[in-house]
Amino acid sequence: DAKTTQPTSMDCAEGRAANLPCNHSTISGNEYVYWYRQIHSQGPQYIIHGLKNNETNEMASLIITEDRKSSTLILPHATLRDTAVYYCIVRVASDRGSTLGRLYFGRGTQLTVWP
Amino acid sequence: EAGVTQFPSHSVIEKGQTVTLRCDPISGHDNLYWYRRVMGKEIKFLLHFVKESKQDESGMPNNRFLAERTGGTYSTLKVQPAELEDSGVYFCASSRRINEQYFGPGTRLTVT
Repeated sequence: DAKTTQPTSMDCAEGRAANLPCNHSTISGNEYVYWYRQIHSQGPQYIIHGLKNNETNEMASLIITEDRKSSTLILPHATLRDTAVYYCIVRVASDRGSTLGRLYFGRGTQLTVWP
Repeated sequence: EAGVTQFPSHSVIEKGQTVTLRCDPISGHDNLYWYRRVMGKEIKFLLHFVKESKQDESGMPNNRFLAERTGGTYSTLKVQPAELEDSGVYFCASSRRINEQYFGPGTRLTVT
């Protein structure tokens, strides 16, 4: 089901930028890229999503390549609390009456932020 | 705004017994989803409600699982009879639109 490829694990020093890559070479024109994360023992948490333009919010930035076959989630100043499994998910955009609400979670990337 | 809540947080039952999990979505969210993660596996979609209607239940593993959302508010997920392979963490999520799903803390189910 999952149509993305992510590294199994990464680490990052506290205070530095964490750059998490994702490959989605078979992405369709109407599919968005979503990022969620799961901090240990908690439910998944929405981070950001985008179609083709770069996006930024209070949590992170999302950089999508021009051909849309890959993207990078950037946590600009990682903290210890950002240690989590990060999931890159591609999915058709919301549409009124759409039945395509499901999210496909792959294995994700275990990000470890160290002091 | 209160988040998605789930009850119980933890349930331990014997094989063959029945368990009912409850999810209270964020107020005003018409979309409600159930997911689960069984040991060592990925988080898997179970079903999607829009208000009280089942929009997509293609992820339900078998007929031992029954989900309801009477009145379009809270939802219950009943497992009857429970089997060992049902052990895992069951997550509920809700959304106003499909884009951003807000997840609850999950219910950890242990079947012995």
